[in-house]
Parts: sequence; structure tokens; C-alpha cells
Amino acid sequence: EIVMTQSPASLSVSPGERATLSCRASQSVSSKLAWYQQKPGQAPRLLIYGASTRATGIPARFSGSGSGTEFTLTISSLQSEDFAVYYCQQYNNWLQTFGQGTKLEIK
Amino acid sequence: QVQLQESGPGLVKPSETLSLTCTVSGGSISNYYWSWIRQPPGKGLEWIGYIYYTGSTNYNPSLKSRVAISVDTSKNQFSLKLSSVTPADTAVYYCARYSSSGWLPTGWFDPWGQGTLVTVAS
Repeated sequence: EIVMTQSPASLSVSPGERATLSCRASQSVSSKLAWYQQKPGQAPRLLIYGASTRATGIPARFSGSGSGTEFTLTISSLQSEDFAVYYCQQYNNWLQTFGQGTKLEIK
Repeated sequence: QVQLQESGPGLVKPSETLSLTCTVSGGSISNYYWSWIRQPPGKGLEWIGYIYYTGSTNYNPSLKSRVAISVDTSKNQFSLKLSSVTPADTAVYYCARYSSSGWLPTGWFDPWGQGTLVTVAS
């Protein structure tokens, strides 16, 4: 099983600032990585797939980068609606696995 | 656009079988993969398994001995059965479409249903 480790576990950022979230895989997953946003009481929403391709309707302030074992989700200018929990997911292996999440909080 | 809705009992007794159904609306269940994912309260996400509209399945090995996912194309639904449940199976259960390129699964989940909380308790 490929273990996905996200850091930090929580992050406090002021609105308008940039947030950088990290995801590390225990072995290479190539570019087969997705990012999701989950708000309280809601289902996760796909943000990014293929490590860097934004899903339909996702604002340009969300960007993904990385390959192999190191990945980053960057939110360029935080809006109030961006404060949520973010999960990464690898699908290089048929046994897809998720990270434990990063909680993005308002500073 | 495609929407998914989970349905089923919110309370299941230990040792019994959890049964949920996901109804797909706004599009056909055919030609796609469909998946179940769960999230224990306050915890992260765990992939349970997926099914192709033809009935071909793939399960998480950690649950494989207890899981069965089936599809009913005539009703545009797919279902989850999880047997011999314990309190550790208490979670919000989500259904989602699993991405594919033709008949090949590719790996991300979109869209998701709103989720349904299933509590295992006597």
C-alpha cells in the first residue's frame, strides 16, 4: 500500500495570502495524484487531477505541481470560501489511498 | 449534470450487514466506473471499492472478505453490502463516479454524493 503523508496537519493563513500544502508518497506515483477540498458537513470536491490539471469549474487560484513522490497544492490568494480540509489521493496503484488531510484555517 | 444520492439505514447492529444504494441521476450509469468511499467521524477517507457498469469489481483488500458492490443498470443504481459490521465500520459512506478513459479506470472521484452516516451500534 502506498502511504500518503500530508503536511502540515493544519495551517493558519490570512485571507488574501498564499497557502502551500504538501503531499508526499511513500513511493513514486508518477503524476497520478488528485487533490480534494472538503468543507464541514459536505462531500469532498475534486480540485486537481493528474497532479496539475484543474477540474471543471475550479478557480485559477488553485494550482497543483509535483511528480514522483512530492506534490504541492497552492492557493494563490485565499478567499473566505477556501478555508476547509484538503486531501491528496494517489491512483498510480490500483489500491488508491488518501492522505490524512490538511486543515486550512483562517488566521 | 450527474448527481449521486446515497440511501439506506442509518443504524445497523453489530454482526449484521450494512446495505446502501446510490442512485445516479442526470446521466446514465453505463460506460462508467462507480465507487464507494467512507469516512469515519473526524477522520480521513478510505476507498472501499469500485464497479464497472458491466459488473466488474475491484475492492480494497482490507475489506475484500466482507464487501460486495453490485450494479443495476435498469434502475441507474449501484449498491454496497458490507457484512459482519462492527463499531469500527461507523462512518459517512459516499458514492462517487470513478474516472476512466474508455474502459480503463484512471483513478479520481468526481462527482460525489452528499454522503450518508451509518452508525453500527446495538
